[in-house]
Amino acid sequence: DTGVSQNPRHKITKRGQNVTFRCDPISEHNRLYWYRQTLGQGPEFLTYFQNEAQLEKSRLLSDRFSAERPKGSFSTLEIQRTEQGDSAMYLCASSQERITDTQYFGPGTRLTVL
Amino acid sequence: QKEVEQDPGPLSVPEGAIVSLNCTYSNSAFQYFMWYRQYSRKGPELLMYTYSSGNKEDGRFTAQVDKSSKYISLFIRDSQPSDSATYLCAMGYSGNTPLVFGKGTRLSVIA
Repeated sequence: DTGVSQNPRHKITKRGQNVTFRCDPISEHNRLYWYRQTLGQGPEFLTYFQNEAQLEKSRLLSDRFSAERPKGSFSTLEIQRTEQGDSAMYLCASSQERITDTQYFGPGTRLTVL
Repeated sequence: QKEVEQDPGPLSVPEGAIVSLNCTYSNSAFQYFMWYRQYSRKGPELLMYTYSSGNKEDGRFTAQVDKSSKYISLFIRDSQPSDSATYLCAMGYSGNTPLVFGKGTRLSVIA
């Protein structure tokens, strides 16, 4: 069973540009989570899905952020009009309700906004 | 007060030492407690998870949860240079709901 994969691994963009990240969860995991991690901090929850339904969004998630999981498999996280404060590691995790009791993380996408 | 407090270190120990890492938390509703290891510029890797109070052992690692004190610990026996990483505690209402993480403790094991 392959782990969680994320693409791209690194993204450098200019302020004001839009970026989109992709996460492929562990096969058959029905829950998918997005977290953001800045230097010297632990991951902070952004949003999560059960299949294609978005269950919760953090107050950290401004209107410029949108996430989708259209077919209940992979997910995308889009940031519009990026700001320098968006520079961070974006982490995706997945779990299977009633099968696993915890979340497995991908390698992350490191975003740098210039 | 943050929901989860974790001393960021850094913590430096000689090879073979016993390492103790700790977190405190304020939300008594948390039931699931995890420890993740994160190498520089990598994603967190699950080490151990525990439900409610008690101890759990896996090889050189032991996780302890004391819900009455809102205190969790990870012990690493016979520490190795390859254990050098940041250790993150995380907790939640279940393992399948959003987790709240500590800041992470940076550990260096010196050969």
